[in-house]
Amino acid sequence: SQQGEEDPQALSIQEGENATMNCSYKTSINNLQWYRQNSGRGLVHLILIRSNEREKHSGRLRVTLDTSKKSSSLLITASRAADTASYFCATERGSGYSTLTFGKGTMLLVSP
Amino acid sequence: NAGVTQTPKFQVLKTGQSMTLQCAQDMNHNSMYWYRQDPGMGLRLIYYSASEGTTDKGEVPNGYNVSRLNKREFSLRLESAAPSQTSVYFCASSLAGVRTDTQYFGPGTRLTVL
Repeated sequence: SQQGEEDPQALSIQEGENATMNCSYKTSINNLQWYRQNSGRGLVHLILIRSNEREKHSGRLRVTLDTSKKSSSLLITASRAADTASYFCATERGSGYSTLTFGKGTMLLVSP
Repeated sequence: NAGVTQTPKFQVLKTGQSMTLQCAQDMNHNSMYWYRQDPGMGLRLIYYSASEGTTDKGEVPNGYNVSRLNKREFSLRLESAAPSQTSVYFCASSLAGVRTDTQYFGPGTRLTVL
């Protein structure tokens, strides 16, 4: 079963605007990761946030995590056409060997 | 440094045929994974190998087998393909499978079963 669910399913914005994607999950996690997938390609890791962290930045990316609401958000500032891709959250949980559970993704279209 | 490579890139099978998807990584990673991606479903874990010599089932293992041939290579076999196995298959690897690991993905194999 899917642990993470992204919202919205699709997002269309203009270059220069900010894009915000949300991820909700059902059970406690150890950490949460965001990945990007360009059309027809494999996934690329963007950022990891641990369960004891509330916010993390990487370049134009800002990720927040609210464990009380079991949700995370990914903000891409000053979007570019090259940011057009699908974005997935992936949760890691459990006490043993680590595997990731991916959500269904948000498709982001950034128009010039 | 090629990262994670997968062969073939595309494949069309008839129902009942068998095939093996190959995956190799050159990053000296211990853990490897096979996922399938279907429209609107995200990625689902089929099998994984925490380390050389071990394999474990993921969320959707039925109809598949895997072999961790050595540290570099992890293959996925469909013994008797079914149309429900039409999907894009991704192989991934990570350094050690610990909680803060990130996964590195191959380019995918697009499989159609008629």
